[in-house]
Amino acid sequence: SAVISQKPSRDICQRGTSLTIQCQVDSQVTMMFWYRQQPGQSLTLIATANQGSEATYESGFVIDKFPISRPNLTFSTLTVSNMSPEDSSIYLCSVGGAGANVLTFGAGSRLTVL
Amino acid sequence: DQQVKQNSPSLSVQEGRISILNCDYTNSMFDYFLWYKKYPAEGPTFLISISSIKDKNEDGRFTVFLNKSAKHLSLHIVPSQPGDSAVYFCAASVLGSEKLVFGKGTKLTVNP
Repeated sequence: SAVISQKPSRDICQRGTSLTIQCQVDSQVTMMFWYRQQPGQSLTLIATANQGSEATYESGFVIDKFPISRPNLTFSTLTVSNMSPEDSSIYLCSVGGAGANVLTFGAGSRLTVL
Repeated sequence: DQQVKQNSPSLSVQEGRISILNCDYTNSMFDYFLWYKKYPAEGPTFLISISSIKDKNEDGRFTVFLNKSAKHLSLHIVPSQPGDSAVYFCAASVLGSEKLVFGKGTKLTVNP
């Protein structure tokens, strides 16, 4: 299965600022998925990023808040914009291809917003 | 509206005994179910899955059971080992779609 590197692994951010999370995959993949895990909650899909097209956002998530880039088949970024303490979460990048419906996840980026 | 529910936030068992983790779902469209294991500071890793055409799938010490009429699945770990201590997430999807819907997870602690 693919190997995924995410940066940063963790960060502490000030309210109102924005942070960009990077996701690098060791192989070419068609779709990349961004998930969020708020404290004590399930992993929730934010959006699906396809190379060469706009990301597809799930209900409750908007492009202005979570802009995504997908410049090529091995890389994607997720920006968390105008952060508030409610954005304190683990953000995870994932890709498919390891088997039927099986996703491989990166280690996640733990953001704390003060 | 939570479509996948893991009602036990935590479970503690003795080494060598059986661990049973439960999961319920509400969406009848789901036809593929997965279990993931997550250690602290790591991403979730795939453990085992089951299609709705089966009621049991086994892989070594791990067995997943599916009861479609009850919309319930369970993960059995026999025998449990201290290295199994982790958070276990149940996930559901429609076969062919890579969109997974996750439960909140159950933290398993296996005591030596």
